[in-house]
Amino acid sequence: AQSVTQPDIHITVSEGASLELRCNYSYGATPYLFWYVQSPGQGLQLLLKYFSGDTLVQGIKGFEAEFKRSQSSFNLRKPSVHWSDAAEYFCAVGAQDFQKLVFGTGTRLLVSP
Amino acid sequence: DVKVTQSSRYLVKRTGEKVFLECVQDMDHENMFWYRQDPGLGLRLIYFSYDVKMKEKGDIPEGYSVSREKKERFSLILESASTNQTSMYLCASSPPIAGSYNEQFFGPGTRLTVL
Repeated sequence: AQSVTQPDIHITVSEGASLELRCNYSYGATPYLFWYVQSPGQGLQLLLKYFSGDTLVQGIKGFEAEFKRSQSSFNLRKPSVHWSDAAEYFCAVGAQDFQKLVFGTGTRLLVSP
Repeated sequence: DVKVTQSSRYLVKRTGEKVFLECVQDMDHENMFWYRQDPGLGLRLIYFSYDVKMKEKGDIPEGYSVSREKKERFSLILESASTNQTSMYLCASSPPIAGSYNEQFFGPGTRLTVL
C-alpha cells in the first residue's frame, strides 16, 4: 500500500533563511505527488504537484520541490522564508485507487524573527 | 474562483446526538471526500463519493455515514456522536480525469467538539 512519511514534526527557521521540508513516499508505480499548506484554522491549499516530466517543479509563494525517484523523495524547498510561511505543510501521494490521496502526518513550520 | 464551503466552522455537540456536517462545492466536480484531521495523525479519509448516490469507505469509516443526493453536496453524518469524534473535519472535491490524480480542493474545515 502507498504511504507517505514526513520525518520532521516541527521545524523552526529564521526569517530569511532557506527551508527544506522532507517527504518520502512508498508507491509501486510512478507516483503523483503533492504539497499542500494549511494556515492556522484554514483548509488546505495546493502549493505544487508533480505528475511527470521535469523533476523540479515550481509552485506558488516561491516554493519548489524536486522528485527523486532513486530516493523516493519529494522534498519541498524555499530559498528565503518569510514570517507568513509559518503553517503546517502536508505531502501527499496519489493512490492506486482512482482519485484518492494519501497524506503524510504534516510538518509544522515555525519562523523566528 | 473554485470554492468548497462547509456549513459550520465550529460546532459543539453532546454525546449521543446525531450530527450533520454539510459540504457544498460549486465546481461541478464528480468526486468528493471527507477527512478528519488530528494532531500527529495528518488527514485520514473517512468516506468518498465519485458520483451522486455513490459512496465508498475510506480508512476510518466506523461511526460515520455519508449522503450524496446532489452532485454539489456531500454530507457527513455522525449517527451518535462520541467524544472520540472530536476533531477537525475537512471536505474536499476533485474532477474525475481518468488515468490521473487530480488536485483536491479543500473547504475551510469544521472543528467539532463533542462533550
